[in-house]
Amino acid sequence: AQSVTQLGSHVSVSEGALVLLRCNYSSSVPPYLFWYVQYPNQGLQLLLKYTSAATLVKGINGFEAEFKKSETSFHLTKPSAHMRDAAEYFCAVTLNRDDKIIFGKGTRLHILP
Amino acid sequence: NAGVMQNPRHLVRRRGQEARLRCSPMKGHSHVYWYRQLPEEGLKFMVYLQKENIIDESGMPKERFSAEFPKEGPSILRIQQVVRGDSAAYFCASSPPSEAIPGTEAFFGQGTRLTVV
Repeated sequence: AQSVTQLGSHVSVSEGALVLLRCNYSSSVPPYLFWYVQYPNQGLQLLLKYTSAATLVKGINGFEAEFKKSETSFHLTKPSAHMRDAAEYFCAVTLNRDDKIIFGKGTRLHILP
Repeated sequence: NAGVMQNPRHLVRRRGQEARLRCSPMKGHSHVYWYRQLPEEGLKFMVYLQKENIIDESGMPKERFSAEFPKEGPSILRIQQVVRGDSAAYFCASSPPSEAIPGTEAFFGQGTRLTVV
């Protein structure tokens, strides 16, 4: 069965610094991978997704992620953090053909002034 | 096209009462997921439904919890005889058939925050 592991339940970066949120997946077949963001008291919003078209995926709000099959990773990055990026970020995986979406435990991103 | 609609946004129930959470998927979406989110614990999959069918309920507690997605109307997550441990945020998500758009993402509602007192 597929799964995702997010390393670090809390990550703190200074405003303007690089953001790196880690996600490793486990899947027996090529997966579809997603990053979602959740702001306080809100639902989840899709940041970006990997569907095998390109290994480097660009999303909203300046985020991007790179699919690395050899490392089974799909880390999320942003070159320069902004205060408004403070939120919780979830990595998720699904297979094709009506499979459920499985989420990681989430990483709370804190932005230091 | 309205997004995924969940109601109520907040629900307070006394121990032993029933909680009914509703989710109207986006137009054209035939797949519905329910997730539970506890503080500091992330999202836990509960159940995955298609119209009139439960596809995967491996995340549902064996007792007191049930879900349906009828041919007409919203999906309902029902919790009978609630206990304090049921207090959580419950999120619904919907997606179109995967055959239509392979690897499509799920679209989330704003959630229902259940508090059991």
